[in-house]
Amino acid sequence: AQKITQTQPGMFVQEKEAVTLDCTYDTSDPSYGLFWYKQPSSGEMIFLIYQGSYDQQNATEGRYSLNFQKARKSANLVISASQLGDSAMYFCAMREGRGNNRLAFGKGNQVVVIP
Amino acid sequence: ETGVTQTPRHLVMGMTNKKSLKCEQHLGHNAMYWYKQSAKKPLELMFVYSLEERVENNSVPSRFSPECPNSSHLFLHLHTLQPEDSALYLCASSQYTGTGNNEKLFFGSGTQLSVL
Repeated sequence: AQKITQTQPGMFVQEKEAVTLDCTYDTSDPSYGLFWYKQPSSGEMIFLIYQGSYDQQNATEGRYSLNFQKARKSANLVISASQLGDSAMYFCAMREGRGNNRLAFGKGNQVVVIP
Repeated sequence: ETGVTQTPRHLVMGMTNKKSLKCEQHLGHNAMYWYKQSAKKPLELMFVYSLEERVENNSVPSRFSPECPNSSHLFLHLHTLQPEDSALYLCASSQYTGTGNNEKLFFGSGTQLSVL
């Protein structure tokens, strides 16, 4: 069964606007970590933000914030003030439990920022 | 110098060829990974090495053979591949502690492999 679900079609976003990327996850483990990565056309996966299951506050990193709704098992990424360089694929990922080497990824969301 | 370096960036090979992908990390990490990225599919974890010991082999066919001679280098040896093996192969590293779930993976830019 798929652990991470990202179902949005490709998105076009106006420069300087905010965009929200949806991610839902499935786990029965009370301890887990959620990650978002960005993959531009160069291919490298770039870490953006992390949220722990026990974290009381939503994670923020510069223009990136994570809307963590634990009861709904969702971890949406919000990018504020979009820039042309934000055009990329965005992947949600989860590590279940502690001391687990396995990071499971979703299929990704394509974002294109237009001027 | 980037944290995780992969070579070659592109590789075209026939089904009878033998080739190797190389990955080097300059981050002082103790764990290295191979992922396969195919179009419209989630990244698939192939192999994990922790402290130079293979700790995970995710049911990968034997035509893929990993090698980790030290904590900074990781290879993926390829032989008699199939066209469906064409994909982007990503290497990653992390500092594995065995106790947390917040360990970030640092990725290379990948090797785009085409099998003819």
